[in-house]
Amino acid sequence: EVQLLESGGGLVQPGGSLRLSCAASGFTFSSYAMSWVRQAPGKGLEWVSTISASGGNTYYADSVRGRFTISRDSSNNTLYLQMNSLRAEDTAVYYCAKKGTTMTPGNYFDYWGQGTLVTVSS
Amino acid sequence: DIQMTQSPSTLSASVGDRVTITCRASQTISSWLAWYQQKPGKAPKLLIYKASSLQSGVPLRFSGSGSGTEFTLTISSLQPDDFATYYCQQYNGYLWTFGQGTKVEIK
Repeated sequence: EVQLLESGGGLVQPGGSLRLSCAASGFTFSSYAMSWVRQAPGKGLEWVSTISASGGNTYYADSVRGRFTISRDSSNNTLYLQMNSLRAEDTAVYYCAKKGTTMTPGNYFDYWGQGTLVTVSS
Repeated sequence: DIQMTQSPSTLSASVGDRVTITCRASQTISSWLAWYQQKPGKAPKLLIYKASSLQSGVPLRFSGSGSGTEFTLTISSLQPDDFATYYCQQYNGYLWTFGQGTKVEIK
């Protein structure tokens, strides 16, 4: 059974940093691209970042490029999101999500974690 | 960036109704479109990928169609468990975007 378990969310002041983790199990982690998707309170879904299966390619939404860094550790099946220079508008539930296929294009998401809440406020 | 526009934003329907949600892309995306269902406080669930392929385990009353810039999600006979918010997502290229969502409410 595929499981994705996020952690690391919490309350942080504007300008601060936070690192999210996503522990994956139940599939061959090193074979699939992984992504972060966020949802601000009461709002829709926003794709944030994707990392390729090998970790060699990373992609970011314009809203976070230069502030967030996605990475992965296939030795312990974990996805990360380093978030720096946080702003109030980054407040959201952050989901990690598994790519639905190994093919390209194919960056849809067949499994999602339960989400972790990040609140940016003074 | 490719913009995705869903209509309507809210839909009121009764159990047993046939429901159709439309998603339009600002430029052609071939068939690289997925649909998700989300219930309050829960993660999204994949329903359809590649515009019309039903994800394993999803009931047959859900179907998707379209290509290019216009797509539809149809629920053939709305069930109580289907009241939720639905999102489309395009995955053409390397910047992926969601529609703003369509909330299906009980009439």
